[in-house]
Amino acid sequence: RKEVEQDPGPFNVPEGATVAFNCTYSNSASQSFFWYRQDCRKEPKLLMSVYSSGNEDGRFTAQLNRASQYISLLIRDSKLSDSATYLCVVNIHPAIKAAGNKLTFGGGTRVLVKP
Amino acid sequence: GAGVSQSPSNKVTEKGKDVELRCDPISGHTALYWYRQSLGQGLEFLIYFQGNSAPDKSGLPSDRFSAERTGGSVSTLTIQRTQQEDSAVYLCASSLEVQETQYFGPGTRLLVL
Repeated sequence: RKEVEQDPGPFNVPEGATVAFNCTYSNSASQSFFWYRQDCRKEPKLLMSVYSSGNEDGRFTAQLNRASQYISLLIRDSKLSDSATYLCVVNIHPAIKAAGNKLTFGGGTRVLVKP
Repeated sequence: GAGVSQSPSNKVTEKGKDVELRCDPISGHTALYWYRQSLGQGLEFLIYFQGNSAPDKSGLPSDRFSAERTGGSVSTLTIQRTQQEDSAVYLCASSLEVQETQYFGPGTRLLVL
C-alpha cells in the first residue's frame, strides 16, 4: 500500500461547480498535511496547509480526519484557472529525529474545469 | 526575491554518461531537498540536506546517484552511468528551516537516450 494515495482523476468539473476529493495516508504518526498545486510542466506550489480544525482560504476548504486517516480538498465556484493537478503531501515526524522534513507526495488528482 | 533556480532546464544525454544537475536554493534557506518526478507520476523523495547535519539519503534509488551541498548553499545532484529509466524531471526545493513550507525550483528535465 502506498503511503499517500489519491484518486488520479481526472475530475471534469463544470465552471462554477463544486468539486471535492480526498487523500488517504497510511502512517498514523503523520503530523503535517498540505495540498500543493501543480500546473502542467510546472513545479508544485503550496496551495494550503491542512490544520486539525480544518481551514478555509477563499474558495478552497481543507479538512483533516485523523480517525480515518484522510484529508480532503473542496473547491467551490470552480474557475477555469483551477484546472491543475492537486498533490496531497504528508510530513511524518518520527519520535526519534531521523527523517527530518521529508515530505511524502501522493500521485496527484487531476482537475479539469470546463466552460 | 529570487526563488529556487535549477540548471540546466533541460538535459539530453546518452545512456552510460554522467550528468550533474545544479540547484540554487533561496538565500538563507537551510534545508534543501531533491525529488524526482517521472511522467504522469507523483514526486519521489531522493535526498535532504539540513544545515550541517548529515544528509538523509534514504530516497536515492541506487549508488549511481549522489548529491552534495557545498557551503550550505548550492547543491549538485550527480547521476553516474545514466540509464533510460533515469529520465524524469528532477526537482529541487528549499525551506527556511525544518517543518517550513518548501519552495520548488522549475526542475531539470532529463532525457536519457
